[in-house]
Amino acid sequence: AQKITQTQPGMFVQEKEAVTLDCTYDTSDPSYGLFWYKQPSSGEMIFLIYQGSYDQQNATEGRYSLNFQKARKSANLVISASQLGDSAMYFCAMREGIGGANNLFFGTGTRLTVIP
Amino acid sequence: EAQVTQNPRYLITVTGKKLTVTCSQNMNHEYMSWYRQDPGLGLRQIYYSMNVEVTDKGDVPEGYKVSRKEKRNFPLILESPSPNQTSLYFCASRSKREADTQYFGPGTRLTVL
Repeated sequence: AQKITQTQPGMFVQEKEAVTLDCTYDTSDPSYGLFWYKQPSSGEMIFLIYQGSYDQQNATEGRYSLNFQKARKSANLVISASQLGDSAMYFCAMREGIGGANNLFFGTGTRLTVIP
Repeated sequence: EAQVTQNPRYLITVTGKKLTVTCSQNMNHEYMSWYRQDPGLGLRQIYYSMNVEVTDKGDVPEGYKVSRKEKRNFPLILESPSPNQTSLYFCASRSKREADTQYFGPGTRLTVL
């Protein structure tokens, strides 16, 4: 079974609107961390936001927030007030076991296009 | 500046010609990893290292070797590259004390003809 599922290969959003990128995960480990990364056309991986499985509140970083629904095993990324520079690939990832080794399991990504 | 560096950034080679992609980090991180990224598959871990002289296989280790002789360096070795190893490769590192971080290098785009 896939550990991370991103069901939206591509998304479009109007500039200045909000957009939600979906991510569901599968793990039986009670300790895990969830990450979102942005990959622009230049190729680098840019860290956006992190949510730990024991965190009580949803993570927020500027215009990015993570809608963490533990019972549903979902960790959707919400981008508010979209900008043209937000056009990129977005990857959801999970690490099992907070103190564990370095493996991040990645989803297949969502390509976001912001329309002027 | 805290960073992970990779070299080369771009490489075109031929089947069977041994190559090494270097990775170096200046943050004294214990954990380092190599990933490959292929269209429609996301990133998949090749090998990881938890400290000097401690390495282990990730999800797709076939055709690759690594070594960790120094804490800062984690080279990826392709002894006999094949066309199915054409991919975008990322090195990553993190401190074992910081579960909420993962630093990625800029990526190496490899083409094997």
